[in-house]
Amino acid sequence: DTAVSQTPKYLVTQMGNDKSIKCEQNLGHDTMYWYKQDSKKFLKIMFSYNNKELIINETVPNRFSPKSPDKAHLNLHINSLELGDSAVYFCASSQSVWGTGSYNEQFFGPGTRLTVL
Amino acid sequence: AQSVAQPEDQVNVAEGNPLTVKCTYSVSGNPYLFWYVQYPNRGLQFLLKYITGDNLVKGSYGFEAEFNKSQTSFHLKKPSALVSDSALYFCAVRYATGGSYIPTFGRGTSLIVHP
Repeated sequence: DTAVSQTPKYLVTQMGNDKSIKCEQNLGHDTMYWYKQDSKKFLKIMFSYNNKELIINETVPNRFSPKSPDKAHLNLHINSLELGDSAVYFCASSQSVWGTGSYNEQFFGPGTRLTVL
Repeated sequence: AQSVAQPEDQVNVAEGNPLTVKCTYSVSGNPYLFWYVQYPNRGLQFLLKYITGDNLVKGSYGFEAEFNKSQTSFHLKKPSALVSDSALYFCAVRYATGGSYIPTFGRGTSLIVHP
């Protein structure tokens, strides 16, 4: 059973389009994250939700909008795609970041490779 | 502010030799430190973590890491490298800010184990 799954695995689209990436975790975790990995493999956190509440919102263009319908799902919608959005996007989850859960490791999905043409 | 540094972009080692992947950190208060591994076209996988207690932490696939508070380091080690250990390794630190813990990752170190 896949712990953290993402769809689609590959996404190729034209500049200006709007696209979404979906993430689901079956680990019962309270916290979910979106990361962007660029071509140099640098990993940057974008957003984090704890129990459907946004807790981390790094400096990300407002074209990116996360949405958590329930604590097992965290989707990422991107409007007006730009060339610079091309990257691999990883979803991750962990036990709650609050209190004693703060030292729990993260579980990552397989990634979604987004290519903007 | 907190930061994590992985000073080497790439580490090359011969199979059977010991390997070390370096990580240093800067954080206020006590750090929680992690190592993750990323194989090609895969997501990151957790290897090991230091929370408190014994400075030598053992993890998956025979890896271990030593927490050194005075040198603010958390180097990843393995006594005998395998070709299959070739991958990208990330060090990460979590710290307390405003009651939540924000994970910060290093830039990654590519480990290449030669047969």
